[in-house]
Amino acid sequence: GENVGLHLPTLSVQEGDNSIINCAYSNSASDYFIWYKQESGKGPQFIIDIRSNMDKRQGQRVTVLLNKTVKHLSLQIAATQPGDSAVYFCADYSSASKIIFGSGTRLSIRP
Amino acid sequence: DTEVTQTPKHLVMGMTNKKSLKCEQHMGHRAMYWYKQKAKKPPELMFVYSYEKLSINESVPSRFSPECPNSSLLNLHLHALQPEDSALYLCASSQDRAGDEKLFFGSGTQLSVL
Repeated sequence: GENVGLHLPTLSVQEGDNSIINCAYSNSASDYFIWYKQESGKGPQFIIDIRSNMDKRQGQRVTVLLNKTVKHLSLQIAATQPGDSAVYFCADYSSASKIIFGSGTRLSIRP
Repeated sequence: DTEVTQTPKHLVMGMTNKKSLKCEQHMGHRAMYWYKQKAKKPPELMFVYSYEKLSINESVPSRFSPECPNSSLLNLHLHALQPEDSALYLCASSQDRAGDEKLFFGSGTQLSVL
């Protein structure tokens, strides 16, 4: 999603459903991508990463998909739980040795 | 130990004050970072130290002065800040080697400049 003004894009999901959070990147030279979760009052926490030579990577309840053709990344969370409520950021790493964050999506869980 | 520890957690300072933020990690990481995060925004890279040398400065104003006394410690010295510098300041570390670039973050220092 796009970050418009001061508002984070928000995704509201029913508890138990799957969540899909999307991210677009612009740097064709990026070869490594990371998803972070940030809860209120905390620093970003690593969730999962993927390299550009892969299309998909799975972790515990999470899957990251990478489409290099359209420069798109997604994070899928299975069976979303209340503890998944947070802001999710994608970040990319380029040869400039920088990790740059995307705009973020707030995930809220409906009971 | 997989933690990055930042102190203080909260800091209020006037525009004429001098203060320092501190960061420590004991994971043997050789790269350390300062990021600035405004409310509802992503973290923005400020500085990167690699093997105790400043490798990246993202055109940060000189009122922010980083220091890396050793591979485990990172400081950010603050002087003559402006109210718009109020933000969450995050420290991070990484192995800084190909194939292991992911960052580990501290909980940040919430800075308010009055």
